[in-house]
Amino acid sequence: KNEVEQSPQNLTAQEGEFITINCSYSVGISALHWLQQHPGGGIVSLFMLSSGKKKHGRLIATINIQEKHSSLHITASHPRDSAVYICAVTGGTASKLTFGTGTRLQVTL
Amino acid sequence: NAGVMQNPRHLVRRRGQEARLRCSPMKGHSHVYWYRQLPEEGLKFMVYLQKENIIDESGMPKERFSAEFPKEGPSILRIQQVVRGDSAAYFCASSPVNRATDTQYFGPGTRLTVL
Repeated sequence: KNEVEQSPQNLTAQEGEFITINCSYSVGISALHWLQQHPGGGIVSLFMLSSGKKKHGRLIATINIQEKHSSLHITASHPRDSAVYICAVTGGTASKLTFGTGTRLQVTL
Repeated sequence: NAGVMQNPRHLVRRRGQEARLRCSPMKGHSHVYWYRQLPEEGLKFMVYLQKENIIDESGMPKERFSAEFPKEGPSILRIQQVVRGDSAAYFCASSPVNRATDTQYFGPGTRLTVL
């Protein structure tokens, strides 16, 4: 069993829909990261969370430390949001990232 | 402030050759991480370096792979005697300090193809 699990693996949505991607982890963490990998392959850091909730534009990330669960929400989705969204964690004092397998999102017109 | 730079972006090698991948961290960052993404798989940690020191190489294959981050110049990931299974995207990331709660900034990756 992976230390970081994401669901769903694949997600197709129509433009304008509200999207939720889930991440569960089985280890103690210092922080949880949400990353976006575009079709061209580049990786961008979206959020780093250790508690609570963060918002940036149409993106919202939440984390529940007790339940070891995080969600990434996209409001008013757009085709340009199509990408792979990756959850990753850092644990203890170690700064290396442990990754989930990613959620492939396709937003259609 | 330039971001993390990696070169080459694409590298083709024949089996048995050596591959050298370079990573220049963001200005002011002295911590570099290398990650590998095999085809249709997730990202996996390989090695974490500070200037002139390997801090954690727990994700590095025991043979043929080495990494360095010299006092001057980029970090280099070296793969000797490449095999087809080494074909992957190799990403480096940098951060200014070694804190588990710090954001890591990723380079564009080097896509290695072994023929």
